[in-house]
Amino acid sequence: EADIYQTPRYLVIGTGKKITLECSQTMGHDKMYWYQQDPGMELHLIHYSYGVNSTEKGDLSSESTVSRIRTEHFPLTLESARPSHTSQYLCASSARGGGNQPQHFGDGTRLSIL
Amino acid sequence: RKEVEQDPGPFNVPEGATVAFNCTYSNSASQSFFWYRQDCRKEPKLLMSVYSSGNEDGRFTAQLNRASQYISLLIRDSKLSDSATYLCAVNLNTGGFKTIFGAGTRLFVKA
Repeated sequence: EADIYQTPRYLVIGTGKKITLECSQTMGHDKMYWYQQDPGMELHLIHYSYGVNSTEKGDLSSESTVSRIRTEHFPLTLESARPSHTSQYLCASSARGGGNQPQHFGDGTRLSIL
Repeated sequence: RKEVEQDPGPFNVPEGATVAFNCTYSNSASQSFFWYRQDCRKEPKLLMSVYSSGNEDGRFTAQLNRASQYISLLIRDSKLSDSATYLCAVNLNTGGFKTIFGAGTRLFVKA
């Protein structure tokens, strides 16, 4: 099993709240990713990072922001949650090694905005 | 056209059947390939990497056809527990490396 952890596992919260989803990995991976996935639908990359102080937006526009101050930690923040943010958020990481490394996923955070 | 395409299915097969999924990719800069399994409301889990010469892991066989730009996953002697969505993933060398996931193929194995 990959050592990548996401908290909280589930979150139900009201509109307008600031939310931070946590993601940590203990594998020393340089690359980390955030995906959004609705039930039965495909993964959408919303943010990624190739190392400390490196963050990029993914293919799907998102109102969230990320930071990468430490290698092992890649939190995602929503400044003001809205019902349209309801989804599953998956964090992943991959090792250095050119393009030959697979991604390993955390258990995900299932977010519901009321 | 999507960079990575999969037949969404669903594939409904009886226990013991052999089932094969294909995944096509359009970018010739594709460097490495993977199959993931995703159970309902769970995270994707790496099933196997796909090597140029093809590779096998128990009942699962993965193959790569660079000329036709597709990878395949063959499952022999299907079990009820194989029911899941199978995602292919392609790593592109575009200066940096980028991973593209397919939308997934759903498999239902029935008794």
